Amino acid sequence: TQLLEQSPQFLSIQEGENLTVYCNSSSVFSSLQWYRQEPGEGPVLLVTVVTGGEVKKLKRLTFQFGDARKDSSLHITAAQPGDTGLYLCAGAGDSGAGSYQLTFGKGTKLSVIP
Amino acid sequence: ETGVTQTPRHLVMGMTNKKSLKCEQHLGHNAMYWYKQSAKKPLELMFVYNFKEQTENNSVPSRFSPECPNSSHLFLHLHTLQPEDSALYLCASSQRTGERHSPLHFGNGTRLTVT
Repeated sequence: TQLLEQSPQFLSIQEGENLTVYCNSSSVFSSLQWYRQEPGEGPVLLVTVVTGGEVKKLKRLTFQFGDARKDSSLHITAAQPGDTGLYLCAGAGDSGAGSYQLTFGKGTKLSVIP
Repeated sequence: ETGVTQTPRHLVMGMTNKKSLKCEQHLGHNAMYWYKQSAKKPLELMFVYNFKEQTENNSVPSRFSPECPNSSHLFLHLHTLQPEDSALYLCASSQRTGERHSPLHFGNGTRLTVT
């Protein structure tokens, strides 16, 4: 069973601060997705990282996939209240015969205080 | 138009009731999923349908019964639920199952409370 550990579980920061959240596993994933879930809504895909060491930027959000494809980080620069939400990582693992299944972490709940 | 629509948004039911959750996707996808989201737990995959055929049932109790009449619609029929079944039930769709980079498109969920 592949597990994804996300840390921290909760994070409350002031507007304008920087933060990093982590997604770690002992398993290798073929790719890793990050989702953001706002209160009362379903998760929405932010990015997919595929190659070990890959870095992707989405405005003030920077995503990195670990070299060994076992971990990932999300860094937010100058956080804004609109960044508030639950950040979920999901790893695509090979379930056999070329088929992949997503495993989700428990998420990091971010609150950005104005 | 929302890609994946779930109804109802909220549902309160007694343990002896029978109710159904509905999901509809307008994205032309071929795979649909039911997930359960509980506090302090990862998203739990319940059922997967690919081209209307059920491809996965992750040891879900029989009091949850899925139905997929076509690639655009998915139902979850509920009966004799337990209080621990209270959770947010999320429907999702993707192009097809098992693809390496295929993202999921989620609905906004049904918040279920079992009394």
